Amino acid sequence: AQSVAQPEDQVNVAEGNPLTVKCTYSVSGNPYLFWYVQYPNRGLQFLLKYITGDNLVKGSYGFEAEFNKSQTSFHLKKPSALVSDSALYFCAVRGFGNQGGKLIFGQGTELSVKP
Amino acid sequence: ETGVTQTPRHLVMGMTNKKSLKCEQHLGHNAMYWYKQSAKKPLELMFVYSLEERVENNSVPSRFSPECPNSSHLFLHLHTLQPEDSALYLCASSPTGRTNTGELFFGEGSRLTVL
Repeated sequence: AQSVAQPEDQVNVAEGNPLTVKCTYSVSGNPYLFWYVQYPNRGLQFLLKYITGDNLVKGSYGFEAEFNKSQTSFHLKKPSALVSDSALYFCAVRGFGNQGGKLIFGQGTELSVKP
Repeated sequence: ETGVTQTPRHLVMGMTNKKSLKCEQHLGHNAMYWYKQSAKKPLELMFVYSLEERVENNSVPSRFSPECPNSSHLFLHLHTLQPEDSALYLCASSPTGRTNTGELFFGEGSRLTVL
């Protein structure tokens, strides 16, 4: 079955420290991978995507993600966290076959950055 | 401004009321989606319309009735809802065909409370 897993419900980081939000996926073809961020009572905002090419993808607000095919992972990273980065983060993969074209979302990870 | 506009942003309704949620996209996309986001639960895909034709209905109760009069507008008609239907309802759009990487463009959501 095609799926996305975000193993941590919550990640706590001190401001200025690096952050990592983990994501692993299972998909039958070459993965198209996405990260979205959701602030309270708002919709999901696109952060970055991996389609092909360089395994390190840079996105909005200083975030980046590294595609690792052997580990089937697409972890989201930022070198120095800000309090304003506190939000809910979703990883997603494009499905194939009978889930073709649709995004399959992880359950989300709550990031909390403390001053 | 995301290019996808949802109204109303907040809605409180009784169990016997009839109301509608509206979504409008200005991105020239041909596919539109309704998602339900409840607290502590993953995003649930409810309906998908592609080129104004419903292509997916994920076992959603009949008290939710979608309508897509054209590729820019999507409605979710609500009647005789239950308190457990209280959630954030998210609309999204995407291109179709060869340009479709699976990326979704979300509105800000409509927060529904059923009393």
